[in-house]
Amino acid sequence: DAKTTQPTSMDCAEGRAANLPCNHSTISGNEYVYWYRQIHSQGPQYIIHGLKNNETNEMASLIITEDRKSSTLILPHATLRDTAVYYCIVRPLTGGGNKLTFGTGTQLKVEL
Amino acid sequence: DTAVSQTPKYLVTQMGNDKSIKCEQNLGHDTMYWYKQDSKKFLKIMFSYNNKELIINETVPNRFSPKSPDKAHLNLHINSLELGDSAVYFCASSLGGARITGELFFGEGSRLTVL
Repeated sequence: DAKTTQPTSMDCAEGRAANLPCNHSTISGNEYVYWYRQIHSQGPQYIIHGLKNNETNEMASLIITEDRKSSTLILPHATLRDTAVYYCIVRPLTGGGNKLTFGTGTQLKVEL
Repeated sequence: DTAVSQTPKYLVTQMGNDKSIKCEQNLGHDTMYWYKQDSKKFLKIMFSYNNKELIINETVPNRFSPKSPDKAHLNLHINSLELGDSAVYFCASSLGGARITGELFFGEGSRLTVL
């Protein structure tokens, strides 16, 4: 699986948009970009995934650059409950089972 | 209703003991997983079962033996516990094992402490 690079930590004011970057410069054409988050003392939670088009759901938006070497997860109006570690993961479309390889993620702290 | 439930939530035991962690999912998924999160917070896959068949085994010591009596359950048995086994163990499930865009649903974790 392609390796990802994320900032160790970020801060965001409540109510503002949180933009979490992820570099995946070695991503292959058959690899998706996934985002999960882990709130303290809970299990990881799926947020969103995409291949090459931008995606949006009720939780977040995912912007993938045209060359697919990086992406940004956007939480449009961050709340205190969005404080968590956010993981950017790339994985192939098929093969190898549904194996997610988690990195160190970005610790997002949302403050008043 | 809890989608993926693990028991026990906390487990404290002595070195050398044998212990089990149980996992059940009520989502109708056909694939289940065990992940281990160590003290440095790295989350690593250990095993994956699809329809009771082992499909991922990530070089885990054979003291760890997963058992899937049916596709809704995946239990983890650990023999001869060692200090390094102390971690939080997460169970997860998804729909579709090898065909993989299905998101993973995780349980709340089972914190194992070996003394």
